[in-house]
Amino acid sequence: AQTVTQSQPEMSVQEAETVTLSCTYDTSESNYYLFWYKQPPSRQMILVIRQEAYKQQNATENRFSVNFQKAAKSFSLKISDSQLGDTAMYFCAFNAGGGNKLTFGTGTQLKVEL
Amino acid sequence: NAGVTQTPKFQVLKTGQSMTLQCAQDMNHEYMSWYRQDPGMGLRLIHYSVGAGITDQGEVPNGYNVSRSTTEDFPLRLLSAAPSQTSVYFCASSYSLQGANSKRVLTFGAGSRLTVL
Repeated sequence: AQTVTQSQPEMSVQEAETVTLSCTYDTSESNYYLFWYKQPPSRQMILVIRQEAYKQQNATENRFSVNFQKAAKSFSLKISDSQLGDTAMYFCAFNAGGGNKLTFGTGTQLKVEL
Repeated sequence: NAGVTQTPKFQVLKTGQSMTLQCAQDMNHEYMSWYRQDPGMGLRLIHYSVGAGITDQGEVPNGYNVSRSTTEDFPLRLLSAAPSQTSVYFCASSYSLQGANSKRVLTFGAGSRLTVL
């Protein structure tokens, strides 16, 4: 079974600064997909970024980028120029290439402060 | 497009009561799923479906039933509610979580907060 671990329950960052959220996973699969989802206080789950394991290039979406280290099974999320609207719970998630399940980590609560 | 619609948004039950959480999507997604979210535990998969007439268990299926009679609807039934089922429930859908062309991105509903007394 796949597991996803987020070891930082809470983090804070100053507005305009950069912050990195950690995620590690455990799998024996060679083909898989990784995701970061954001859950603001509204409770709505929103996709932030996705990464395909077979792609060596790290995914980027505007201020959001990932550091995907396949050998280390690490998938961290970097948020640049943090904004107050980035305050949210962030979940790392994993999908095995041949699987019908998306496995989530326990989440990191990020607070962006003035 | 409405996306994924969940009803009700809030519900309070007494132990032993039954209820159904409704989930409907208008995106013609084949894949639908139910998660529960509890503090410190992230989202855990309850049941999922890869198409009409096909359902399967997730990580925490006990106490919940599902059926998929149409592509659009995927209700979650609690037959005899227990306090341990107090949680926030999310329905999510996707075209597919398999296949080379699938982006495997889930679209979530707004969630349903259930309290069992």
